[in-house]
Amino acid sequence: GAGVSQTPSNKVTEKGKYVELRCDPISGHTALYWYRQSLGQGPEFLIYFQGTGAADDSGLPNDRFFAVRPEGSVSTLKIQRTERGDSAVYLCASSQLGVSYNEQFFGPGTRLTVL
Amino acid sequence: TQLLEQSPQFLSIQEGENLTVYCNSSSVFSSLQWYRQEPGEGPVLLVTVVTGGEVKKLKRLTFQFGDARKDSSLHITAAQPGDTGLYLCASSGSARQLTFGSGTQLTVLP
Repeated sequence: GAGVSQTPSNKVTEKGKYVELRCDPISGHTALYWYRQSLGQGPEFLIYFQGTGAADDSGLPNDRFFAVRPEGSVSTLKIQRTERGDSAVYLCASSQLGVSYNEQFFGPGTRLTVL
Repeated sequence: TQLLEQSPQFLSIQEGENLTVYCNSSSVFSSLQWYRQEPGEGPVLLVTVVTGGEVKKLKRLTFQFGDARKDSSLHITAAQPGDTGLYLCASSGSARQLTFGSGTQLTVLP
């Protein structure tokens, strides 16, 4: 079956612009997570959805970051007024609650570069 | 938030050598996961350890969970170039999201 997919794979934008990053989770997975990974570091949590609602958004760095999952499947991470410090790989993961010890399946990521 | 420290940060070895990487925390893990990440890809789960003292084997990889559940190790026997990648430990604690260590970047030279 299809894994987690993310589009675009690469995004180059200019400082101050708005970007949207898309995640298609594994079909039937109710939980969806966004992480951000800087070069040479492990992923850092941003936001977690259970169904359509954001169950925990404590990792969002500031109010320029926002994510939605309107139908409980596809999710979009939105970044307003991008800054150079937002450059990173944005990873999406999904999981099926209650199946195992929160095993999460990751997509390949979107590499965001803010010039 | 639980902090996970991984060591070494970088490791470069020759094919056929053995190696061990470590993951430590000042607090107790409820469970611990090891992931491997290759360039341009997301992390892929290798194993989950739950019980103190637990040892799990995955081909040439041996995972150990400390008795006190505050540390874990990953040992690779006879490393191969295909083992090259970023090895990450992660724990979720009481939350759903994972907290990752900073990783060990392993390079196995042919």
